[in-house]
Amino acid sequence: GENVEQHPSTLSVQEGDSAVIKCTYSDSASNYFPWYKQELGKGPQLIIDIRSNVGEKKDQRIAVTLNKTAKHFSLHITETQPEDSAVYFCAASNSNSGYALNFGKGTSLLVTP
Amino acid sequence: SAVISQKPSRDICQRGTSLTIQCQVDSQVTMMFWYRQQPGQSLTLIATANQGSEATYESGFVIDKFPISRPNLTFSTLTVSNMSPEDSSIYLCSVVRYDTEAFFGQGTRLTVV
Repeated sequence: GENVEQHPSTLSVQEGDSAVIKCTYSDSASNYFPWYKQELGKGPQLIIDIRSNVGEKKDQRIAVTLNKTAKHFSLHITETQPEDSAVYFCAASNSNSGYALNFGKGTSLLVTP
Repeated sequence: SAVISQKPSRDICQRGTSLTIQCQVDSQVTMMFWYRQQPGQSLTLIATANQGSEATYESGFVIDKFPISRPNLTFSTLTVSNMSPEDSSIYLCSVVRYDTEAFFGQGTRLTVV
């Protein structure tokens, strides 16, 4: 089955700096890669996603890159703000499983003022 | 996005009892899933809720312990049976729309004493 590795497990940055979270996956059939933000006491919130036919996608301060050959994808957050502090999960899925998600272990991001 | 209502939001239950969690979506969706998130951990897929037929369970999860129903395209239930303290987790309903994007409810925080 699919195995998703996520690094780092914790990340502390100063407000205004950039944060990068990296994930690798094992199943070459995976073709959809979403990122979720989970705040304390809440369910995961989809923040950005990328499909295997695209190399990069941006949405304001958030961007995701995908390298299919190397089987890795990354989340980039620029100009970080304290409200970006949360746990971030990467995931991989494919149509064979109806897009059920295989999650990484999560990254706890702390943005200090 | 999809609006997902999950009930109850939290509960404290005695060991040996069962709890049924409900998931209601505001519109028809193609796929519904149930995930478990143990304290401080990532999300693990329990099963795919299939409309009108038996759910498809992931390795390590069985129907006798986690019976699931999905009578229509917008509603599903997950029962946690014969609970033990090890079942203390957050249980999350997820739905897929437009074939790929997955959204989550707020989760049910279960504590078994």
